[in-house]
Amino acid sequence: ELKVEQNPLFLSMQEGKNYTIYCNYSTTSDRLYWYRQDPGKSLESLFVLLSNGAVKQEGRLMASLDTKARLSTLHITAAVHDLSATYFCAVDTDKLIFGTGTRLQVFP
Amino acid sequence: EAQVTQNPRYLITVTGKKLTVTCSQNMNHEYMSWYRQDPGLGLRQIYYSMNVEVTDKGDVPEGYKVSRKEKRNFPLILESPSPNQTSLYFCASRNDRVTEAFFGQGTRLTVV
Repeated sequence: ELKVEQNPLFLSMQEGKNYTIYCNYSTTSDRLYWYRQDPGKSLESLFVLLSNGAVKQEGRLMASLDTKARLSTLHITAAVHDLSATYFCAVDTDKLIFGTGTRLQVFP
Repeated sequence: EAQVTQNPRYLITVTGKKLTVTCSQNMNHEYMSWYRQDPGLGLRQIYYSMNVEVTDKGDVPEGYKVSRKEKRNFPLILESPSPNQTSLYFCASRNDRVTEAFFGQGTRLTVV
């Protein structure tokens, strides 16, 4: 059974700091997605990673994929309050399997 | 505007009373799925459909039914809802297996 583990589950960080969210998965896949969810809202696609070594950046967020290590990272640079949300990774085999999410809170 | 539309957004019902949550997408996507989201468990797939008249069970299909009579619609049916089906439900669609999924706004269901 495919397992997708994210850590940390909760992250409280100060504005201006850097941090990384990790997504480990247990089976072979070269397709991984990152989503953002604001409280009470739907999921918004952030990044689509389709090959080993893929790196995507958007603003203060950068995502990467290492299919050999079965690991994806979401790096946050100089966090701001607007980044407060829950972040999910999802691994694509014949269906999307989601991690449990990382709830990020950025405070002044 | 490309979107996935779910209805209703909020629903409170009683145990055993059949209900249907509708999902419609206007992107001509092949794949559609239903997920439920529960605290600490992430999103778990209930059912998915790869095309019209083609559906399959996800990880937590018990107590749910689906149908895909038209490409754009993928309703979720709870024949006899129970309190453990209280959850936040999302419908999603995607063009194929190598593209991102687009999610509906969610349906918050409470079964009392």
